[in-house]
Formats: sequence, C-alpha cells, structure tokens
Amino acid sequence: QKEVEQNSGPLSVPEGAIASLNCTYSDRGSQSFFWYRQYSGKSPELIMSIYSNGDKEDGRFTAQLNKASQYVSLLIRDSQPSDSATYLCADHTGGFKTIFGAGTRLFVKA
Amino acid sequence: EAQVTQNPRYLITVTGKKLTVTCSQNMNHEYMSWYRQDPGLGLRQIYYSMNVEVTDKGDVPEGYKVSRKEKRNFPLILESPSPNQTSLYFCASRGQVPYEQYFGPGTRLTVT
Repeated sequence: QKEVEQNSGPLSVPEGAIASLNCTYSDRGSQSFFWYRQYSGKSPELIMSIYSNGDKEDGRFTAQLNKASQYVSLLIRDSQPSDSATYLCADHTGGFKTIFGAGTRLFVKA
Repeated sequence: EAQVTQNPRYLITVTGKKLTVTCSQNMNHEYMSWYRQDPGLGLRQIYYSMNVEVTDKGDVPEGYKVSRKEKRNFPLILESPSPNQTSLYFCASRGQVPYEQYFGPGTRLTVT
C-alpha cells in the first residue's frame, strides 16, 4: 500500500518566520506531488505542484522535492496568521489515484 | 465560474436509509473522484471515474456506489448507510494534464 507520511503537528511559528512542512512518500516511482491548504471545515485548495528534483518557488511558497530521499517539503516565508491551516501533501501515483497524507496543522502566532 | 458543486452540504440521516450525494463540475473534466476525510486519516479515495461509464474503486469503496452517466455529474450513493460512514465527503475533478484536482465544498454526513 503506497503511503504519504506527514507530521500531524501542530507546528507553531511566529508571524514573519519561515514555516517548514515536510512529507515522505513510499513509492519510489512517484513523479508528481502537490501541496494543498485546507482551512477548518473547508475544501482543500491547491498551493503548488512539483514534478522535478529541486526547488520550485511561487511567491512566499517554495516546494522542494528530493526523489533520492523520497521527501517533499513546503517552505512558507514571512508566515502570516492567515496561513494558519492544515497543509496536505499528495502523491499522484500515476494512473488515476492520488494518495494524500493526513496533513500538518500550522499555527502562525501574531 | 469554474467550479465543483456538491449537494447537500449537510445531511443527518438514520442507519439504512438510502441517500445520494450529488456532484457536478462545469470544467469539462474527464476525471472525477470521491474522497472521505476523517480526523487523523486524511483524505481517502472512495471511487474515481476516468470518463463517462468508466469507474473504479479507490482505497475505501465498501458501502458506496457511484455512477457516471454524464461527463459533468458523478453522484455518490449509500444504499444502506451505517454510523461508520459518518464523515466529511469531497468530490473532486481534474482534466487529463495537469493532475491538480479541484474540490467541491464538501458534504458533512452524519448517520445515527
């Protein structure tokens, strides 16, 4: 059974700091990864996708993929209280299945 | 506006009473999927559909049925709901490429 593991948190950071969220995946052949943000009681919304080893930046967000170590990370720079949410890591394992991690709760303290 | 809609948003029902949760998308996406979300377990895939009349089981299909008679609609059917199906349900859709999914607003189901 393919898996995506995330630390459930909560991860607490002060406003303006860098928040670092991590996940590991079990399928060495996985190619596509996504980070979704989910506010309490709301639906997940896509933040970033990453398909290649290395870093991908989009505004305050940077996704990192290391296929050799099978981990994906999301860095949020200049964290804001509005970033407080649960962050879901997802592995698109090919075909039509997507495997989600259980999510990491992030709290940004003002 | 591109969107995925679900109805109802909230539903309380009793054990054994058949129910249907509707899902519709207006993006002409081929792929649609149903997930349930439970505390500590994340999103788990129930069923998915690759196109009209083509569906397959996800990781937790027991107790659920689906159909895909039209491209835009993908209803989730619980023939005989049980309390362990109390959960938050999300419908999602995506095109061929890229693989990012767009989620509906969710349906909170309580089975007593």
